[in-house]
Amino acid sequence: GDSVTQMEGPVTLSEEAFLTINCTYTATGYPSLFWYVQYPGEGLQLLLKATKADDKGSNKGFEATYRKETTSFHLEKGSVQVSDSAVYFCALSDRSNDYKLSFGAGTTVTVRA
Amino acid sequence: GAVVSQHPSRVICKSGTSVKIECRSLDFQATTMFWYRQFPKQSLMLMATSNEGSKATYEQGVEKDKFLINHASLTLSTLTVTSAHPEDSSFYICSALEMGALDTQYFGPGTRLTVL
Repeated sequence: GDSVTQMEGPVTLSEEAFLTINCTYTATGYPSLFWYVQYPGEGLQLLLKATKADDKGSNKGFEATYRKETTSFHLEKGSVQVSDSAVYFCALSDRSNDYKLSFGAGTTVTVRA
Repeated sequence: GAVVSQHPSRVICKSGTSVKIECRSLDFQATTMFWYRQFPKQSLMLMATSNEGSKATYEQGVEKDKFLINHASLTLSTLTVTSAHPEDSSFYICSALEMGALDTQYFGPGTRLTVL
């Protein structure tokens, strides 16, 4: 079945540091890939997405590229801010699974001033 | 962007009572909505898939008589926790699937249920 493995946290960074959260996936079909962000006490917000190989999703300075050859979708940001402190979830959905999302475990990121 | 609302955001109830949570897609139609449960510091656990005009599909281990789901329109799904007990206390999150270019789920802000 489909599954997502993401880098375990927690991750603690200083402001303006470079952030990478690794995400790899296993899928039987040709999935769409997502990064969601969750702030304390809130639901999930879609951060970015990609639907086919070599697509790059980007939003708010975050980027991730759909790499079919390495089955990866790593999240990066060049210069983090305190406001980026949150939990980040990598996920995939597949038409063959009725578009149900398979989530990674989530990575807690804390950015210190 | 696509917006999903949930109501209420927080609810406290006594053991044995029932609680209804609403999930609405505000600016798009959603034939499919999903209900999740999230425990502290954990990922989301899919409880059920709600399809407009048909019965919900529950994941293995989720009691369908305990968690009643109704998807009466293209913009509204409800989750009713029946005869709630303290172990039902959790953060419940819904999502709505936007059919179209990218088949993306948009999430509501969540409902914190506390059963005393």
